[in-house]
Amino acid sequence: AIRITQSPSSLSASTGDRVTITCRASQGISSYLAWYQQKPGKAPKLLIYAASTLQSGVPSRFSGSGSGTDFTLTISCLQSEDFATYYCQQYYSYPPWTFGPGTKVDIK
Amino acid sequence: EVQLVESGGGLVQPGGSLRLSCAASGFTFSSYEMNWVRQAPGKGLEWVSYISSSGSTIYYADSVKGRFTISRDNAKNSLYLQMNSLRAEDTAVYYCARVAGYVEAAGGLLDYWGQGTLVTVSS
Repeated sequence: AIRITQSPSSLSASTGDRVTITCRASQGISSYLAWYQQKPGKAPKLLIYAASTLQSGVPSRFSGSGSGTDFTLTISCLQSEDFATYYCQQYYSYPPWTFGPGTKVDIK
Repeated sequence: EVQLVESGGGLVQPGGSLRLSCAASGFTFSSYEMNWVRQAPGKGLEWVSYISSSGSTIYYADSVKGRFTISRDNAKNSLYLQMNSLRAEDTAVYYCARVAGYVEAAGGLLDYWGQGTLVTVSS
């Protein structure tokens, strides 16, 4: 199974900050990577797929990049509603489809 | 509006069984692949099982293989997860999730999720 790591595991930031989260796959996955946002007590929400394609309705302050084994999620100007946990997921090799351990973004 | 509503969770003793259901609406259920994903309390997301739109292709995580059975009834717009021989480590919120059918070869890319149902395995 492909292992996914994320860094950092948590970060504190302020509204208006630029935030970057990194995701690394244990082997190449081309661009078959997605990012999800999850708020406490809620289901995950798809933000980005194919490493850099924004899901419909997702604000343009979210962006993704990378291919192969290294990927990043960037929030260009953090808003209050962006405080959440972010997961990356590979859908290149299956089963299983695997998620990263998550990055919690909280208020500084 | 796409809606996925899970039900059937609850408290069960180790070794017991439970059947989860997911009622789908707002889209042509029979055209979409579906998955179950779970999340233990305070932990991350774990993929559990996949079923193709016709039900002919099924996958399981190693952690549940031989104990869980995924199925669907396209006439009833419903997805199911039969869970047997439950263990404490199966305690989690279970989500049903739809595969993003507009993305090629993306059986695990999930564009809509239900609100989840909590399964607690404890004596």
